[in-house]
Amino acid sequence: GNSVTQMEGPVTLSEEAFLTINCTYTATGYPSLFWYVQYPGEGLQLLLKATKADDKGSNKGFEATYRKETTSFHLEKGSVQVSDSAVYFCALSRGSNYKLTFGKGTLLTVNP
Amino acid sequence: GAGVSQSPSNKVTEKGKDVELRCDPISGHTALYWYRQSLGQGLEFLIYFQGNSAPDKSGLPSDRFSAERTGGSVSTLTIQRTQQEDSAVYLCASSLEQRTEAFFGQGTRLTVV
Repeated sequence: GNSVTQMEGPVTLSEEAFLTINCTYTATGYPSLFWYVQYPGEGLQLLLKATKADDKGSNKGFEATYRKETTSFHLEKGSVQVSDSAVYFCALSRGSNYKLTFGKGTLLTVNP
Repeated sequence: GAGVSQSPSNKVTEKGKDVELRCDPISGHTALYWYRQSLGQGLEFLIYFQGNSAPDKSGLPSDRFSAERTGGSVSTLTIQRTQQEDSAVYLCASSLEQRTEAFFGQGTRLTVV
């Protein structure tokens, strides 16, 4: 079956540090890949997505590249801010609907 | 409203009681999903609706769980004879069609005591 593995947190960084959150997946064929973010007290929001190999999703300074050869979709940001503190979820979808398979989430805390 | 609305936002119930959780999707969205977020299991898919029918119920954990959707809009997730392991945040999402971006509500936090 489909599965997503992401690095376990928590991750604690200082403001302006570089962020990487690793995500690898197992799925047949060509899934779509997503990063969702959950800010404190808020619902899940789509951060970025990529639907085919070598696509790069980007939003709010975050980037992730769909790597078919390594089955990975690592999230990166060059300079994090305190406001980026949140839980980040990697996810994939396959098949004819938008059913999502999520990783377990990574809590990011950015200190001033 | 502009987003997916879920009610109640918090629910505390006694073990053995039935609960109903409500989801109002974004107007015009034909696809609706329920997920469960718990500490031990992370985010798990429960059920998918396309219109009023549920072609994928594979994530419902037991026959105590059921869901319906009426008028292609509001959905209700019902948990009968609640158990402590049902304690979790139940999330609803909707999308314009299948295979388009899903928008999530803020969830209902269910606590079974």
